[in-house]
Amino acid sequence: AQSVSQHNHHVILSEAASLELGCNYSYGGTVNLFWYVQYPGQHLQLLLKYFSGDPLVKGIKGFEAEFIKSKFSFNLRKPSVQWSDTAEYFCAVEGGSYIPTFGRGTSLIVHP
Amino acid sequence: GAVVSQHPSWVICKSGTSVKIECRSLDFQATTMFWYRQFPKQSLMLMATSNEGSKATYEQGVEKDKFLINHASLTLSTLTVTSAHPEDSSFYICSAGDRVNTEAFFGQGTRLTVV
Repeated sequence: AQSVSQHNHHVILSEAASLELGCNYSYGGTVNLFWYVQYPGQHLQLLLKYFSGDPLVKGIKGFEAEFIKSKFSFNLRKPSVQWSDTAEYFCAVEGGSYIPTFGRGTSLIVHP
Repeated sequence: GAVVSQHPSWVICKSGTSVKIECRSLDFQATTMFWYRQFPKQSLMLMATSNEGSKATYEQGVEKDKFLINHASLTLSTLTVTSAHPEDSSFYICSAGDRVNTEAFFGQGTRLTVV
């Protein structure tokens, strides 16, 4: 069975700081990887996804993530965060069964 | 953290029958619940937003008469797939939260297979 670990449950940053959110998974086969964002009171939105090809994936709003197969990681990055990035971020992994498993989420607060 | 329980985790049903999926918040009051579905190798798609005591708000393209959502209490929302067909086979997942906190909590998901 697959599992997902998001190491940081709460992150607090000042505007313009760089962001990196960790995501590690355990699954022995081919995976599809996702990062979602949920702004306060809103539903999930897809930030980016990786199925195959270039392991550096660029998403919306300046986010990117790098798939490192040897480390079973798919960390999310943004060079300079804004106050509007305050939200909860979820990493998800989909293995051979095509059933996604979500991480517990990371709450990001950006101070203006 | 808070717990959201979704039941059943998987179900197989015959074409033409209806299936009910429950989403319960076990230790908090969920004023809002979201229902999503996911097809293989695709991202989650929001189906509807459910607020306690009021009618659900469906996303464009989602048939409200086919996917009945009820949110009668602060701890329970149900999704009923009526007259299910094989194309309704998918992974359905709910999430629950309130309007104040940034955190959202997911159910375990339900794999529906219609044969």
